[in-house]
This record gives sequence, structure tokens and C-alpha cells, in this order.
Amino acid sequence: SQQGEEDPQALSIQEGENATMNCSYKTSINNLQWYRQNSGRGLVHLILIRSNEREKHSGRLRVTLDTSKKSSSLLITASRAADTASYFCATDFRSGNTGKLIFGQGTTLQVKP
Amino acid sequence: DAGITQSPRHKVTETGTPVTLRCHQTENHRYMYWYRQDPGHGLRLIHYSYGVKDTDKGEVSDGYSVSRSKTEDFLLTLESATSSQTSVYFCAISDVGLEQENEQFFGPGTRLTVL
Repeated sequence: SQQGEEDPQALSIQEGENATMNCSYKTSINNLQWYRQNSGRGLVHLILIRSNEREKHSGRLRVTLDTSKKSSSLLITASRAADTASYFCATDFRSGNTGKLIFGQGTTLQVKP
Repeated sequence: DAGITQSPRHKVTETGTPVTLRCHQTENHRYMYWYRQDPGHGLRLIHYSYGVKDTDKGEVSDGYSVSRSKTEDFLLTLESATSSQTSVYFCAISDVGLEQENEQFFGPGTRLTVL
């Protein structure tokens, strides 16, 4: 399977702390994306990092990509209770011009107030 | 939810009956996808479409068919529903631009229970 693997599966932290979640994948990619899913809702796109990029920032989010290790990490700084959600990485594994992504199984983040 | 609706939002049906789920978009995006989400499996691609009448299978296509007769609508049919198809189904859309950036926008989901 080309599916991304994420760890940890679950993470519980206090408000104000940083949260780091990791994603590993198996094949060459065009880009890697991170999505958030609040309970009972659809996924929401957070950030995309291209294969030729090593780091990207968006607000309190920082994403790194190491193509030699086939891994990525998502860091959420100064977490808030509203960040409680599941986070998924998704890889575009060069499937031609189909836009297809392969999603990992996700990390469930709980931020305690 | 980026101009994507799914109907119905909830459905309970019996084993052996056909079921059709509808995804409707107002974004004029070329690509549409159907996923199922199950505990322990994340999101798995069922079928996708890269244009009107152009569809292809995904990772878990057995027991499912799709149709896309208009840009805005993508239908997922369970030909004869089984209990293993109890799941939450998500539709997504995207446009693959010149930069090959293919972020996907998701609908709110349909919770299907097959008894």
C-alpha cells in the first residue's frame, strides 16, 4: 500500500503546548498535504508542501518535508482547545493528472483547556 | 463547505437494496472523488471522475458504481448494499492547476447504515 502512516495515533496535550504529528510514506511524491477533520465533519485542507520544499509555515502551523526519509511533520504551536480534531496527511504520489491523493489513518489530537 | 453538498446526509437501508448517494458542486471543478471513512482505515478512495462521463476505480471499488453526466453531479451507487458497506461516505472535489496543486475540498459526508 502507498498509504501514509501517521504517528502518534492519538495525542493529548494542554492548551498552550505545541503538538507535533508525523507522517511517513512509501513512494515518490509531487506534494504532501495536511487536512483537519472536526468530529462529524468533512476534511478541511490546511497546508500543501511541494516535493522541492523543505519547510512551510501558515499561521501557527509549520510543516516540514524530508524526501530522503519519506517523512513529514506537522507542528501546531501554542495549541488551543479549538485545535482538537483529527489530522490527516495526504500524498500526491505522481498518479498522472488525476489529482488523486492517498490519505493516512490520521492522528487524533485532544487539547485540554 | 466550498459549495459541495451531499444527499442524503443520513440513510438506513436493508441488505440487498440498491442505494444512490449524490454529490453536487457549484465550483465547476473538474475532478470529483468518493471516499469511505471507517475506524482504523482512514479515508479510502472508492471511485473518482476526471470529467463528464470519465470515471475510474479507486482502492475499494468492488460493489460500487458511479456516474457523472454533468460537471456538477457525481453519483455513487451501491448496487446491492451489504453490512460491510456501513460507513461514512465523503465526496471531494479538486482542480489540478498548472502548479500541480491538487488540494481537495470535502462535502459534509453521508452516514450510511446497512442492516
